[in-house]
Formats: sequence, C-alpha cells, structure tokens
Amino acid sequence: NAGVMQNPRHLVRRRGQEARLRCSPMKGHSHVYWYRQLPEEGLKFMVYLQKENIIDESGMPKERFSAEFPKEGPSILRIQQVVRGDSAAYFCASSPTGYNEQFFGPGTRLTVL
Amino acid sequence: AQTVTQSQPEMSVQEAETVTLSCTYDTSESDYYLFWYKQPPSRQMILVIRQEAYKQQNATENRFSVNFQKAAKSFSLKISDSQLGDAAMYFCAHNAGNMLTFGGGTRLMVKP
Repeated sequence: NAGVMQNPRHLVRRRGQEARLRCSPMKGHSHVYWYRQLPEEGLKFMVYLQKENIIDESGMPKERFSAEFPKEGPSILRIQQVVRGDSAAYFCASSPTGYNEQFFGPGTRLTVL
Repeated sequence: AQTVTQSQPEMSVQEAETVTLSCTYDTSESDYYLFWYKQPPSRQMILVIRQEAYKQQNATENRFSVNFQKAAKSFSLKISDSQLGDAAMYFCAHNAGNMLTFGGGTRLMVKP
C-alpha cells in the first residue's frame, strides 16, 4: 500500500527556469493538497484539488504558480520563471474524504540558484 | 480565518522523562479536527495523533496523549517516556475544511 509519492525529491533550477513538481496520491484518495515550507517555518497551504478541479487556491501566489490534477496521472505544481524566493520544500498531501487527516509525501526540495 | 500558535520554539527533555508541547488555536468553526505532526531531519511529515473537536475524551496513541481544552482552544501534546527517536520538529495543525493550518513548530531535543 504505497504512500503519497513525490518526485523529484530534489530539484535545482536557475532563475527564470520552470519547475514542475509531481505528486501521486495514495490509492483511493481523490483529494490533493500542496503546501510550501520555508526554512525554519511551518507548512503553508497553497492549493486544494480534486480530480480535474481546483477547489481552493487561496494560498497560491497570483502569478507564476499553477496546479492541476488531471483525470489520469499525477498532480502537478508548476512554477514558471523561478526566483530565489521560491526556494523551499514543497509538500503534497492526499486525503480520502477532504475533511480528515492528510497523508504527506516526502516533499520536493527546490533550490533556485 | 484559522490561526495556530505554538509558543515554544524549542523544548528539551531528558530521555525517559515526560514533556508537554503547547498549542493554541483560533477558529470560528464548531466542527473541526486537530493534529500533531512530527517532522524528523528527513523532513517527512508523520502524523502523531488526531483529535475530533466533538469528542470530549482526549486522544491517546501509546506514549503520546493530548490535553484538549475546547473552551480555551488549547491542544497540548504530552510525550511520556521520551526516547532519542522523538527528537524532531513538532507541528500542531487545525483542519476545518479545505486545508490544514499549521503552527510555527516546536523543536524537541532529547538528552541521553
């Protein structure tokens, strides 16, 4: 029974490049959440998706960031034209019901040079 | 809006002793869940314990227990018989719907 999977685990990008982070939820989970963790801080909510729908994107920056969860395949968090301030750990979580505990993936550590 | 506050940036405990980590929260919801997550150096977020707000009985998971005071909006975590492997960041979190709201974390150090 595989847990939440994220890849890559580490991603290095130069300023101005694009970053694509992938998340495969646990089997049977149709609710996916993305969080960002800056160094020495707690996790901050970014976006909540169900299959093919964005339910809540109130934590997403208005520009350069987008997320999707297609009918087939993993959820993708996309950051265009990365800047140094985007350097952080990005965690994906999934839930079976949307109103209960969330199960976290191992995170993707993004470093922008 | 929900807020979660952890007032102890760092705590230290002697191995085999007991330690309590504090958490307070603010919410306008009447039905919600509270959680404690552990984040070791590997950065993996591990669920330690959960509490449903409508349940008066405090949750317990082996050496971990909570003191849930709904009226005071307080949700502390007690770790008994502390072990070296308990050393980690601990995050309190609140869920009233779409998202988890996390506190800033408490770094727990365990002295041998």
